[in-house]
Amino acid sequence: GQQVMQIPQYQHVQEGEDFTTYCNSSTTLSNIQWYKQRPGGHPVFLIQLVKSGEVKKQKRLTFQFGEAKKNSSLHITATQTTDVGTYFCATQGSNYKLTFGKGTLLTVNP
Amino acid sequence: AAGVIQSPRHLIKEKRETATLKCYPIPRHDTVYWYQQGPGQDPQFLISFYEKMQSDKGSIPDRFSAQQFSDYHSELNMSSLELGDSALYFCASSAGLAGVTPLYEQYFGPGTRLTVT
Repeated sequence: GQQVMQIPQYQHVQEGEDFTTYCNSSTTLSNIQWYKQRPGGHPVFLIQLVKSGEVKKQKRLTFQFGEAKKNSSLHITATQTTDVGTYFCATQGSNYKLTFGKGTLLTVNP
Repeated sequence: AAGVIQSPRHLIKEKRETATLKCYPIPRHDTVYWYQQGPGQDPQFLISFYEKMQSDKGSIPDRFSAQQFSDYHSELNMSSLELGDSALYFCASSAGLAGVTPLYEQYFGPGTRLTVT
């Protein structure tokens, strides 16, 4: 199945700083999804990208899908303590099962 | 809005025992997925059901079995438990072709934390 590599594994920022996590694949992806998992919580769907070069925004979050559909990024502007958690990218394969990246754990120092 | 319900939330079992995890999807969702998440790991797909039929199978041990019932709830049965089975088990649901939510969007339950001692 398709695999996605995600970096960095950890990111610690000061509140107000920006944050970016990246996902890469060696093969073309049909779609990329992003999930957020708060500590002790469950994954929560954020967004799906399917088009080459697609950019979507949700308030302070910007999601991008690369032109070749082999990479994606999630950028958070001016982080807040509520942004703490693990951000996973995932690709949805046949029968809609999800294959997740390893995730990026974001901690924010107030 | 109603969410995915999982029970129990916590379960402690000894090696070689059996466990049954239950999942109640969002109303009118007809597709259920099971994922296993080890400590500090990403969720790993185990198995899925659509309209009470198994639709896909991932890295699920032969000791595990699952089914989806006529009311769309699902159960994951785990036998001969091993220490390595200790993990968070998530159930997720999606609307399939029912259309109440986008087909590609999976809603995760709160999870069952299984500890095998």
